[in-house]
Amino acid sequence: NAGVTQTPKFQVLKTGQSMTLQCAQDMNHEYMSWYRQDPGMGLRLIHYSVGAGITDQGEVPNGYNVSRSTTEDFPLRLLSAAPSQTSVYFCASSMGDRISGNTIYFGEGSWLTVV
Amino acid sequence: DAKTTQPTSMDCAEGRAANLPCNHSTISGNEYVYWYRQIHSQGPQYIIHGLKNNETNEMASLIITEDRKSSTLILPHATLRDTAVYYCIVRVYNNAGNMLTFGGGTRLMVKP
Repeated sequence: NAGVTQTPKFQVLKTGQSMTLQCAQDMNHEYMSWYRQDPGMGLRLIHYSVGAGITDQGEVPNGYNVSRSTTEDFPLRLLSAAPSQTSVYFCASSMGDRISGNTIYFGEGSWLTVV
Repeated sequence: DAKTTQPTSMDCAEGRAANLPCNHSTISGNEYVYWYRQIHSQGPQYIIHGLKNNETNEMASLIITEDRKSSTLILPHATLRDTAVYYCIVRVYNNAGNMLTFGGGTRLMVKP
């Protein structure tokens, strides 16, 4: 049981390039989400998904796309990288029970620098 | 969405109890209080959560006031490895799912 796995761990991009951050979980969780964390700040939600084929925007979605073709995977795409997207990105997942307070599991982060 | 207020930073002596307060005066009846911590830019780690009763697990205890407007996370015997940023979060629901809204957190420094 690997939990939430993110790749790559480190990436440097040039302005205007595109790339995909990968996220996979092996816990059969329905809910998955992407957060970004800028230096000295808390995490902010980018996009989330409540199940395969369903995604929605979070607090800071501009410049990012997501898709959820399987329960396990939730990739985050940067369409045209900008220096403002330099950040640490965290993927998270949890069960889909909205009645009880379910634990949310985070990956170890992907450090992205856009030059 | 209920917001939380936490002190920016706290110190604690190694081996002593660390008591981290959190105010969430606008919490609604079906919202849970979660605590996570983040050690030096690693992924946030779940600690504990509760609704109205006090909770305890192997990591910590959570004390929630009767009116649910505030809570305290207690690390009973803090170690140097407990140095981290601790986030008190009220669970946000919408029609589609659940999210976490992170504030600034409390930076706990455990000192020898």
